[in-house]
Order: sequence, then C-alpha cells, then structure tokens
Amino acid sequence: GQQLNQSPQSMFIQEGEDVSMNCTSSSIFNTWLWYKQEPGEGPVLLIALYKAGELTSNGRLTAQFGITRKDSFLNISASIPSDVGIYFCAINAGGTSYGKLTFGQGTILTVHP
Amino acid sequence: DGGITQSPKYLFRKEGQNVTLSCEQNLNHDAMYWYRQDPGQGLRLIYYSQIVNDFQKGDIAEGYSVSREKKESFPLTVTSAQKNPTAFYLCASSDRVRGETQYFGPGTRLLVL
Repeated sequence: GQQLNQSPQSMFIQEGEDVSMNCTSSSIFNTWLWYKQEPGEGPVLLIALYKAGELTSNGRLTAQFGITRKDSFLNISASIPSDVGIYFCAINAGGTSYGKLTFGQGTILTVHP
Repeated sequence: DGGITQSPKYLFRKEGQNVTLSCEQNLNHDAMYWYRQDPGQGLRLIYYSQIVNDFQKGDIAEGYSVSREKKESFPLTVTSAQKNPTAFYLCASSDRVRGETQYFGPGTRLLVL
C-alpha cells in the first residue's frame, strides 16, 4: 500500500503555544485529510483538502495541501488542553467514491496546562 | 442519535479461538470499513464494503473475515489464523460519494490470553 511519513511522532507543548505537523508521500494524491483521535475513541475528521495549494481553516486549525500534491501541513494555534490526542494525516487512494484511506503513523500531542 | 456502535469494548480471546466483533450503524451509509490500530503504526485497512453483499480486502486482510448481509451491519471475525490479533479495532462508515469523510465507532480492544 501507499506510505505516508508523518512528523513529528510526538510533541509536548505548553498551553498557548502553536503547533505544526506535516505529512509527506512519494506519490501524488488528489485528497489530503486530517483526523484527530482522542484517547479511547475513534478518529474524527478535522479538515479535508481537495486542491493543490488549498489552505483551509477550522477554528484554530489550519491545514494546507502542498503545491506538489505530495505533502500536507496542519497547524494549531494557541493550543489548549483539549487539543490532546493523536493527529493523523490520510489520503484517499481509491478515488472519491471508494474511501480506501491510507493513514500516516500519527502525531501524539500532549499539552501541559 | 445517529452513529456507529461497536461491541464489546474489550474482548479476550484464547489461543486457537475465532472471535467476532460487532459493528452497527444507523447513518444510512452504504460503505463500511474495518481498521486495525497498533501503537506507532496508525490505522491499517482490513476490509471494506461499498454495498450490501459485497466486500473487498484491504491491506492486511489475512486472518480476518467479514460479511455484509445488511446495510447496517458489518461484523469482523478474527480467526485463529491471525497470529498477532492483539490490537484496537475500529469500524467506520461513509456514504459512497464522500468516502473520505468516515465516521468511526468507539473501537474494540482485543486481547489474547
């Protein structure tokens, strides 16, 4: 299957700090996704990106679809304790109608109050 | 309340046993998915189904089986052929148009005794 390289693997930050994480691939994709998983729960879709260069925000979260279509970035501004969780990038390898997603390894975010 | 339910939350399996994990959704979604999550490896697709009575292997289908007799239900059987079954199993569903927007259940943690 496809390989996604997500970094960093983990982050320990103070409340109020900004966070950046990214995801890269050796192949080109038309859809990049960012999901968040809270402890003991299933992931929830945060942001979906469909166009190269696209910059999309969802509250304090901003994600970008890289121009090369081989990468994506997620930024969280002014972090708060409820931002804790695992953030996954994902791509839709099977086209829009198939939902055959491939996930990155995840970035574990810890926020200290 | 619309959503996805998975049961049980914890499941213990003895060596050589088959066990079945339940997944039910009332979102009227056509597509359903099973993922396996191991620490540091993200989510990996086991099986997916786009429509009743049809399903496809994902990236790690060996040692697993599924059925899709009803739109609402997509049970996963972990067979004795799966040599390393201890993991967190997540079920998801989506509509066929927006397959990348997947709604996840709360997961089942399977432990081998």
